Amino acid sequence: IQMTQSPSSLSASVGDRVTITCRASQSISSYLNWYQQKPGKAPKLLIYGASSLQSGVPSRFSGSGSGTDLTLTISSLQPEDFATYYCQQSYRTPWTFGQGTKVEIK
Amino acid sequence: QVQLQQWGAGLLRPSETLSLTCAVYGGSFSGYSWSWSWIRQPPGKGLEYIGEINNSGSTNYNPSLKGRVTISLDASNNQFSLRVTSVTAADTAVYYCARQTYHDFSEFYFDYWGQGALVTVSS
Repeated sequence: IQMTQSPSSLSASVGDRVTITCRASQSISSYLNWYQQKPGKAPKLLIYGASSLQSGVPSRFSGSGSGTDLTLTISSLQPEDFATYYCQQSYRTPWTFGQGTKVEIK
Repeated sequence: QVQLQQWGAGLLRPSETLSLTCAVYGGSFSGYSWSWSWIRQPPGKGLEYIGEINNSGSTNYNPSLKGRVTISLDASNNQFSLRVTSVTAADTAVYYCARQTYHDFSEFYFDYWGQGALVTVSS
């Protein structure tokens, strides 16, 4: 299953609302996870099952959607949120990731 | 708190075998609610799932690695390992070990990760 994220990168300011979209090549129901990765670090799980917030993750992060189009929203971007975000389908193995969306400071 | 710590050779020549080990500290290693996975990331690129092993020893590999991969389990030492044979420059990447959790046995996600290990293949 191919996963395509858009945009590949974006520039935003602190306090902005940011939305990242992940499109699957076939329906994956709600079997989608979102990760945040900072340079030189391992990815960190943010959202699982399309909309469930991982323990300890701030509530400004939310996920929605099902089928082929799913989204990650950051309601009010904070300085520590500048990073690369990846979606990952957990519908069918081999698990596959999107190519990533880099969120940069405007 | 679960922690994964990984190690292995960082520089290989083409055709050699990549070997990495990941130790798990904290939590339960032998539960049936998770499996143990390897994921890699070429420099400047995205993430690629390599494969996984569960606590019954059953494995699942990404067909993209064309039969070159073996993942094994050492439950007595809370460790699991990755071997990739016949490496080429295309195998140069940061390799991560990770725990995959089966939430309610229907949702799967990688919730704990190792620190990553850069493996470079160069002649």
